[in-house]
Amino acid sequence: NAGVTQTPKFQVLKTGQSMTLQCAQDMNHEYMSWYRQDPGMGLRLIHYSVGAGITDQGEVPNGYNVSRSTTEDFPLRLLSAAPSQTSVYFCASSYFPSESSYNEQFFGPGTRLTVL
Amino acid sequence: GESVGLHLPTLSVQEGDNSIINCAYSNSASDYFIWYKQESGKGPQFIIDIRSNMDKRQGQRVTVLLNKTVKHLSLQIAATQPGDSAVYFCAESENSNSGYALNFGKGTSLLVTP
Repeated sequence: NAGVTQTPKFQVLKTGQSMTLQCAQDMNHEYMSWYRQDPGMGLRLIHYSVGAGITDQGEVPNGYNVSRSTTEDFPLRLLSAAPSQTSVYFCASSYFPSESSYNEQFFGPGTRLTVL
Repeated sequence: GESVGLHLPTLSVQEGDNSIINCAYSNSASDYFIWYKQESGKGPQFIIDIRSNMDKRQGQRVTVLLNKTVKHLSLQIAATQPGDSAVYFCAESENSNSGYALNFGKGTSLLVTP
């Protein structure tokens, strides 16, 4: 299994440009989510999905869109990039939590985004 | 929103000693807690989790303790090794069965010295 993969690893954008950060997992996880991590900060939840066709907003959703057309993929779209969106973006996935098992969340390696 | 914070931003321990990383949370409705390890340039790695109906859970060389009375969570690492050097995050959620509304703390940097 490749686990959680993210592309690209690095990206530089100009203010106002749009782009899509890709995330894919091959573990058949129901749950997927996107976080951003800023220097000296913990991770902040942008959007999440509990299954194909279902998405919801996290703590910092403004400026980002998501969709979940398949179980495997959960792309994050920046509609009009702003310097405040310069950050490291992580995608994560997990099985549905249960009382008897660890709810291990798997994170991708991250995408480092710079908006000029 | 309510905050999840850490008592110490950095912790330095000698190889072989036990490490204790602390975390305070303020959301009394939190019922699920996770510890993550993040090495430089990598994504967070799950270490261990605990639900609010427990006060202790053990893994391999790690133990998580939960004190709901004072809203305090700790991660104990036994016989700390150089490979344990990383930033450790605690995270909490109100409903562990609803998926992902995880609230992360800012992190504690653990440095293991020889």
